[in-house]
Amino acid sequence: SAVISQKPSRDICQRGTSLTIQCQVDSQVTMMFWYRQQPGQSLTLIATANQGSEATYESGFVIDKFPISRPNLTFSTLTVSNMSPEDSSIYLCSVQDRELFFGSGTQLSVL
Amino acid sequence: GDSVTQMEGPVTLSEEAFLTINCTYTATGYPSLFWYVQYPGEGLQLLLKATKADDKGSNKGFEATYRKETTSFHLEKGSVQVSDSAVYFCALGGNGGYNKLIFGAGTRLAVHP
Repeated sequence: SAVISQKPSRDICQRGTSLTIQCQVDSQVTMMFWYRQQPGQSLTLIATANQGSEATYESGFVIDKFPISRPNLTFSTLTVSNMSPEDSSIYLCSVQDRELFFGSGTQLSVL
Repeated sequence: GDSVTQMEGPVTLSEEAFLTINCTYTATGYPSLFWYVQYPGEGLQLLLKATKADDKGSNKGFEATYRKETTSFHLEKGSVQVSDSAVYFCALGGNGGYNKLIFGAGTRLAVHP
């Protein structure tokens, strides 16, 4: 099974700033995903991070707000840009390695 | 569009009690169905899955049966333990796949000794 390290585990940020979340996997995986879990709500897929090409975003999410990098098959980053309090959520990285594995998440609070 | 509805929590039980967490879904086609569990401070883990109608997924004493006629995938366990305290998520995946999962809101379970 894939082991995922995600950091930071939590952060408190000021409005208008940006935060980059890192996701490291202990094996090479083709598909990596970023999810968001807003308070009291279910997980929502933000985008699929593709190695060597631009990420594929779901409806309601755009690259300017959530730029994603995928430089190799074991690493990805998600940046939450120009943050507002509405961006306060848990952000989760996941990878597909026969089944879907999740990191422990980044709890983001925006003041 | 596709969606998943779970019973609201928290669910509070005494040890050895019977557990049911309801999950119903709306989907086109024939999705796969999943239950994920998130223990405190950890990432989501796949608990069990079912890929077609009438399949029963089971793991760690938990069971869920894919009921197409009632569009349900209720999670059950005959005798819960304190260590089962966690948040449980029902999810569906289109076209039998694991990616692009659609999750329910999650149900927190607290088991007391």
